Amino acid sequence: QLQLQESGPGLVKPSETLSLTCTVSGGSISSSSYYWGWIRQPPGKGLEWIGSIYYSGSTYYNPSLKSRVTISVDTSKNQFSLKLSSVTAADTAVYYCARHKTTVVTPINYWGQGTLVTVSS
Amino acid sequence: SYVLTQPPSVSVAPGKTARITCGGNNIGSKSVHWYQQKPGQAPVLVVYDDSDRPSGIPERFSGSNSGNTATLTISRVEAGDEADYYCQVWDSSSDHPKVFGGGTKLTVL
Repeated sequence: QLQLQESGPGLVKPSETLSLTCTVSGGSISSSSYYWGWIRQPPGKGLEWIGSIYYSGSTYYNPSLKSRVTISVDTSKNQFSLKLSSVTAADTAVYYCARHKTTVVTPINYWGQGTLVTVSS
Repeated sequence: SYVLTQPPSVSVAPGKTARITCGGNNIGSKSVHWYQQKPGQAPVLVVYDDSDRPSGIPERFSGSNSGNTATLTISRVEAGDEADYYCQVWDSSSDHPKVFGGGTKLTVL
């Protein structure tokens, strides 16, 4: 059974860079069939797609975050990562890593448990 | 960017049918997906491509999509169906392609 697990600091200072890693188990991130993504959810609010990546490195980003976001993949570790720069309190959210059903246009059918990241000094 | 509009809340008595709508311009031309999210948990895909169900999702969950409205229907509602529900589309013509609706809180009375 595929499992995804987010890891990274739970507290980030304003103006700094948020960095999270998603470790995939029970399947290979190098599979040619799937895109992998990040979604976030501010406390008490709805879901927001951040971006998605293919094992080859091809990426799609939410335009509203694109200038601050980098998603990368490390196939040797079966991991993919999120970096969000110049964070503010508005970036406080639960961050989920996830896998699309297949291509980036398809829905997400596997989710990590989520990790809360708080932006505060 | 493409906008999906959901009612903030829907209430239904146990055993009845709940209908949660998702409005968008010509949404009938797009594939709509629905997620269920219970408090403190990650979302779960319950309907994809308008009306298909992932394995393990009860037949009580169904979907339809036409014109400017997509609908998630939950038949014979149970207490365990109480959750937030989100619709989602991929709008290839938009500069913001992966769009989620604002979510609907389903309350089982």
